[in-house]
Amino acid sequence: AQSVTQLGSHVSVSEGALVLLRCNYSSSVPPYLFWYVQYPNQGLQLLLKYTTGATLVKGINGFEAEFKKSETSFHLTKPSAHMSDAAEYFCAVTKQGAQKLVFGQGTRLTINP
Amino acid sequence: NAGVTQTPKFQVLKTGQSMTLQCAQDMNHEYMSWYRQDPGMGLRLIHYSVGAGITDQGEVPNGYNVSRSTTEDFPLRLLSAAPSQTSVYFCASSSRSREKLFFGSGTQLSVL
Repeated sequence: AQSVTQLGSHVSVSEGALVLLRCNYSSSVPPYLFWYVQYPNQGLQLLLKYTTGATLVKGINGFEAEFKKSETSFHLTKPSAHMSDAAEYFCAVTKQGAQKLVFGQGTRLTINP
Repeated sequence: NAGVTQTPKFQVLKTGQSMTLQCAQDMNHEYMSWYRQDPGMGLRLIHYSVGAGITDQGEVPNGYNVSRSTTEDFPLRLLSAAPSQTSVYFCASSSRSREKLFFGSGTQLSVL
């Protein structure tokens, strides 16, 4: 079975600082990996995804993530945090042809002025 | 395009009452699903459907029923509401590739 662990339920950074949200996955087959973002009182929206090919993927709003098979990780980064980045972020895993997407517990990102 | 539309946005039920959460999508997506979101637990899959007339259970299906009579609609029924079903419910859909889920804005349900 596939699973996702997000390290840190709450991350707080200063505006302009590096954002690093950690995600480790478990999968016996090549995974498809996703980061979704949820702004207050809204549904989730896709930030970026990795399926095959280049292991460094870029998403919306300046975020990127790197698939590291040896570390079973897919950490999300942004060089410089903006106040508008405050939201909850979810890492998720599935596999090719699968019917189910498995989500992590979520990480709430707070940006301090 | 409206995307994925969920109704109602808020609902309060008494224990034992039944109700249906509505979900409709206008993107001609084959795949539709229902998740519940609880603090510290992320999103957990309740039921999903890969096409009209086909449904299957997810991670936490007990106490919920679904049906898929059309491509557009995927209602979620609570048969006899319990306080443990207090949660935020999200409907999501995707095309056959499953590479991007489109989410509705959610229904906040409280069961007293």
